[in-house]
Amino acid sequence: KAGVTQTPRYLIKTRGQQVTLSCSPISGHRSVSWYQQTPGQGLQFLFEYFSETQRNKGNFPGRFSGRQFSNSRSEMNVSTLELGDSALYLCASSVTGTGSHEQYFGPGTRLTVT
Amino acid sequence: GNSVTQMEGPVTLSEEAFLTINCTYTATGYPSLFWYVQYPGEGLQLLLKATKADDKGSNKGFEATYRKETTSFHLEKGSVQVSDSAVYFCALSPTSNQAGTALIFGKGTTLSVSS
Repeated sequence: KAGVTQTPRYLIKTRGQQVTLSCSPISGHRSVSWYQQTPGQGLQFLFEYFSETQRNKGNFPGRFSGRQFSNSRSEMNVSTLELGDSALYLCASSVTGTGSHEQYFGPGTRLTVT
Repeated sequence: GNSVTQMEGPVTLSEEAFLTINCTYTATGYPSLFWYVQYPGEGLQLLLKATKADDKGSNKGFEATYRKETTSFHLEKGSVQVSDSAVYFCALSPTSNQAGTALIFGKGTTLSVSS
């Protein structure tokens, strides 16, 4: 089975712009979660989607949003980019997204905001 | 609240040495516990998991036992290789049967193995 794929792998944006990141989960996985990884804050949960519905959300401002399509692919959007949004954004998929089920991560999208 | 505490790194070992990376957690309910590994420039790979007390997860020579009495999930390997050099993350999922659960991660421990 193909793993979780994320596109693009690298992005450079200017402060104030917006960006959209894409994630394709493992075939058969219906839950997609997004995480932000920075050296200072570590790995932080952004949100989780299942069957096109957001079921859980982390403590991030409303500039961070996401959606999921009927084929389980997911996108996340960050509007009005700030320098502090520079990070590795990781997507993870899971069969159901329940706590005991492992999450499988993609390679990440490295976002640099200048 | 829920949290994970890992030993600070970096951990530097010689090849074939014994590895222990300590991880303790705070959680309400009955969490599932995981170890993930991240190689340079890559995403996280699931190393092993345990979903209830006294479970032992194992994979690629790594082991960890879910100890509810000490709220710990220490990672061990009997003989490390240079290829094990990476960052290791301990994580918990707060409630095993809850939908939409977010993983809570420790800050990571960098392991460097020299030949």
